[in-house]
Amino acid sequence: EPEVTQTPSHQVTQMGQEVILRCVPISNHLYFYWYRQILGQKVEFLVSFYNNEISEKSEIFDDQFSVERPDGSNFTLKIRSTKLEDSAMYFCASLKVLPGGLSKETQYFGPGTRLLVL
Amino acid sequence: RKEVEQDPGPFNVPEGATVAFNCTYSNSASQSFFWYRQDCRKEPKLLMSVYSSGNEDGRFTAQLNRASQYISLLIRDSKLSDSATYLCVVNKRGRDDKIIFGKGTRLHILP
Repeated sequence: EPEVTQTPSHQVTQMGQEVILRCVPISNHLYFYWYRQILGQKVEFLVSFYNNEISEKSEIFDDQFSVERPDGSNFTLKIRSTKLEDSAMYFCASLKVLPGGLSKETQYFGPGTRLLVL
Repeated sequence: RKEVEQDPGPFNVPEGATVAFNCTYSNSASQSFFWYRQDCRKEPKLLMSVYSSGNEDGRFTAQLNRASQYISLLIRDSKLSDSATYLCVVNKRGRDDKIIFGKGTRLHILP
């Protein structure tokens, strides 16, 4: 069964450093997402991406964050200058269906990258 | 009112019992509804989509009440492997740009 993959599984960084989290979505999927989950808290939407541009972003996704799909397979989340409060599990997800219609399908999540900012 | 609200839990129930999870959502324009489960330190995984007519998958039954903006999940004959956090997930606008997760309800099945 195809799956979403993410690398690295764990990342430790110093406050103020840049990090890039990588995701390989399922190959025929069209929508891509990043979520984060701070330990003990709920899963929070960060950003969605379709047709090589951001479709929607949350209040969390400020100027420190950016996303890219550099080569048609990878989907990356960059945090320019990490803060302590960026420590969380970051999940990538992808979805197959075209926009505008009701979807009975669901997003498939990768295993996550656990980011620790010291 | 929170966008998606679930029973705070945790639920501690004996193996074989029936468990019911409740969820309410605030946006009446929401179109798609799901139950996910999340094991400790793992990614969320789809358990069931929830349809207006209600749907069943083995021991699991999901119901949707649009008028009350309420979703439920019933687990019958619970097993130890059902121990997890159950997440109510709502698509906010009918497009699949963004979905809203509830905080989840943790379930412990006791042997």
